[in-house]
Amino acid sequence: NAGVTQTPKFRILKIGQSMTLQCTQDMNHNYMYWYRQDPGMGLKLIYYSVGAGITDKGEVPNGYNVSRSTTEDFPLRLELAAPSQTSVYFCASRPGTSGRGAYEQYFGPGTRLTVT
Amino acid sequence: KQEVTQIPAALSVPEGENLVLNCSFTDSAIYNLQWFRQDPGKGLTSLLLIQSSQREQTSGRLNASLDKSSGRSTLYIAASQPGDSATYLCAVAQMDSNYQLIWGAGTKLIIKP
Repeated sequence: NAGVTQTPKFRILKIGQSMTLQCTQDMNHNYMYWYRQDPGMGLKLIYYSVGAGITDKGEVPNGYNVSRSTTEDFPLRLELAAPSQTSVYFCASRPGTSGRGAYEQYFGPGTRLTVT
Repeated sequence: KQEVTQIPAALSVPEGENLVLNCSFTDSAIYNLQWFRQDPGKGLTSLLLIQSSQREQTSGRLNASLDKSSGRSTLYIAASQPGDSATYLCAVAQMDSNYQLIWGAGTKLIIKP
């Protein structure tokens, strides 16, 4: 299993540009998450999904959009990039079935995004 | 609003020492608490998960405790090794949310050979 994969690893955007961060998991997990991590800070939840076709906002959703058309993929769309969106973005997934293992999140390696 | 704090922000100790990392939270209505390890350029790895009804969990040289009433958790690392150098984050899952995790800022640990 590849686990959770994210592309690209690095990206520099100009203010006002748009892009999509890709996230794929091959563990058949129901739940998927997008977080951002600013320097010296903990992670903040942007959006999450409890299954294909179902998404919901997290703590910091403004400026982002998501979709979940398949179980495997959970892309994050940035529209009209702003310097405040400079951050490291992590995608994560968890099984979401009953039992202790249902709540353990598996993370991708992250995407480092700079908006200038 | 739940707040999670980790002190100290950074810690440097000689190899072989036992050490304790701290995590505190303001709202005791949690579903569970998790400890993660973050290595530079890589994602986060789950180390230990403690359910709200549990007092501690152990995995190898790691032991995590939870005192929900006082809003505290500790991660104990025995016989530290240079390979333990990383940032350690704790996160709590709120009872009243759709299992959203609230994160601390982490403790950057350096083990000196």
